[in-house]
Amino acid sequence: GENVEQHPSTLSVQEGDSAVIKCTYSDSASNYFPWYKQELGKGPQLIIDIRSNVGEKKDQRIAVTLNKTAKHFSLHITETQPEDSAVYFCAATTGNQFYFGTGTSLTVIP
Amino acid sequence: NAGVMQNPRHLVRRRGQEARLRCSPMKGHSHVYWYRQLPEEGLKFMVYLQKENIIDESGMPKERFSAEFPKEGPSILRIQQVVRGDSAAYFCASSPPGGSYNEQFFGPGTRLTVL
Repeated sequence: GENVEQHPSTLSVQEGDSAVIKCTYSDSASNYFPWYKQELGKGPQLIIDIRSNVGEKKDQRIAVTLNKTAKHFSLHITETQPEDSAVYFCAATTGNQFYFGTGTSLTVIP
Repeated sequence: NAGVMQNPRHLVRRRGQEARLRCSPMKGHSHVYWYRQLPEEGLKFMVYLQKENIIDESGMPKERFSAEFPKEGPSILRIQQVVRGDSAAYFCASSPPGGSYNEQFFGPGTRLTVL
């Protein structure tokens, strides 16, 4: 089955700086890669996703890049704000079952 | 359009009791997924259901766990004879009918504590 690894497990940045979270996957058949943000006591919220036929996608301060050859994808958050502090999860799937990374706890220091 | 709803939000059970977790998918969604999240870990897939059908239960423990999604009403995740190791957050997600690559929208979760 698919194995998704996520790094780093914790990340602290100064407000206004950029944050980058990286994930690798093992199954070359995976074709959909969502990113979720989870705040304390809440369910994961989809923030951005990318499909295997695209190399990069951007939505305001958030961008995701995908390298199918190397089987890795990354989340980029620019101009970070304190409200970006949360746990971020990457996932990969070939269909309906999502395989999640272990999460990155992001802290944005005001 | 209300999101995915789960209840109860918090559930406390003693060892040996039964836990029933409910999930109402988003309006128009016919696919339901259950995930379990242990503290400090990512979400682990348990089961994928469509109305009246279990499509993939490869992540479900073989004993004590069952799930259903009846024609009417919410999806139910049932855990019989709970043990302390069942303490976790259980999340339900839903997606609309269609092919693969569907986005999954998550509910707020049920936090189960087994005493």
